[in-house]
Amino acid sequence: EDKVVQSPLSLVVHEGDTVTLNCSYEVTNFRSLLWYKQEKKAPTFLFMLTSSGIEKKSGRLSSILDKKELFSILNITATQTGDSAIYLCAVARRDDKIIFGKGTRLHILP
Amino acid sequence: NAGVTQTPKFRVLKTGQSMTLLCAQDMNHEYMYWYRQDPGMGLRLIHYSVGEGTTAKGEVPDGYNVSRLKKQNFLLGLESAAPSQTSVYFCASSYWARSTDTQYFGPGTRLTVL
Repeated sequence: EDKVVQSPLSLVVHEGDTVTLNCSYEVTNFRSLLWYKQEKKAPTFLFMLTSSGIEKKSGRLSSILDKKELFSILNITATQTGDSAIYLCAVARRDDKIIFGKGTRLHILP
Repeated sequence: NAGVTQTPKFRVLKTGQSMTLLCAQDMNHEYMYWYRQDPGMGLRLIHYSVGEGTTAKGEVPDGYNVSRLKKQNFLLGLESAAPSQTSVYFCASSYWARSTDTQYFGPGTRLTVL
């Protein structure tokens, strides 16, 4: 059975800290790995990763995929209170199904 | 562009009642999805569609039916609602392309079944 496992499930840090969120997967017919940020309502897209070892960056956020070890990490540097959210990892299969992890709830203390 | 819209935003049903949730997108996307989100469970795929007139089952399809008669609309039906279907329902759409799997989500529908 396909699964996507995120860790930790929740994390509390102080503003300015750097955090690393983890996502491991066991999914047949892997196509891509996706990261989303969910604040109060709908998830918003952060990154799509398809190739190992290529870092994607957007401001203070970055992500990388390891297709050999079947995991991805999402890094957030110099965290701000606005980074408080649930971060979701998902894997898209070649048959178009998408499997989500349970998410990591991140809380940034001022 | 409105993006992805969902109606209604909130609904309370009694056990056994039926209802239809409507998802509409104006981005000409081929792919549309219905998810449910429960506390501590992440998003779980109910059904999805890869084009007008097509539907396929996701992880948790039981108790739900879908239809995609028009490309821009994806309907989710509950024929006989049960308390276990109390959840927040999200619709999403995406433009299939080898270079992107970006999904655009609607604002969600909060459904309570008593």
